[in-house]
Amino acid sequence: DQQVKQNSPSLSVQEGRISILNCDYTNSMFDYFLWYKKYPAEGPTFLISISSIKDKNEDGRFTVFLNKSAKHLSLHIVPSQPGDSAVYFCAAEKYNQGGKLIFGQGTELSVKP
Amino acid sequence: NAGVTQTPKFRILKIGQSMTLQCTQDMNHNYMYWYRQDPGMGLKLIYYSVGAGITDKGEVPNGYNVSRSTTEDFPLRLELAAPSQTSVYFCATYSTGGVGQPQHFGDGTRLSIL
Repeated sequence: DQQVKQNSPSLSVQEGRISILNCDYTNSMFDYFLWYKKYPAEGPTFLISISSIKDKNEDGRFTVFLNKSAKHLSLHIVPSQPGDSAVYFCAAEKYNQGGKLIFGQGTELSVKP
Repeated sequence: NAGVTQTPKFRILKIGQSMTLQCTQDMNHNYMYWYRQDPGMGLKLIYYSVGAGITDKGEVPNGYNVSRSTTEDFPLRLELAAPSQTSVYFCATYSTGGVGQPQHFGDGTRLSIL
């Protein structure tokens, strides 16, 4: 039972354009959603998060949108840079669950110069 | 500031062998986790700990054991290695600052069982 799904294994975008990474979830009890970025041979690093009571959170070039009725969130990167090329994981968390995260399968973003 | 340190980085085991994956943190975080990542998949929680002396199972605990005698260390033990345990293992820590705080990950241990 995959509670968090990232249905696009890969995405290729031209430098300077927008990258949109999508994530769907099935459990309406999730309280927080987080995006992590992972380079090869490194651990995931935190990128941005959003509370379930909000519909948008912005941090520089990165914006996360949450549509609770559709159980869908997306990460927008504008403008995309070659250094953004990495695997992006969506993760979800419930309050009072010891910080445990449920991860999606990841989307590999390739930003071409 | 080392953060979360995992050793070894790579290891090849034979079926039936045992080993311990080490994880040490210097951030004084109470919560620690072990995840595994299989190719093309997300991270799945194996075990976690909310403090020294307290551990609990995650989503995929079979074939693994953990202990937490200090705040800093959270080793993961494989007793009888099986090919299905070939994976990349990540250790993470978490500050109890409230929901939505990010976890901090080590760089992983790549384990192959042949």
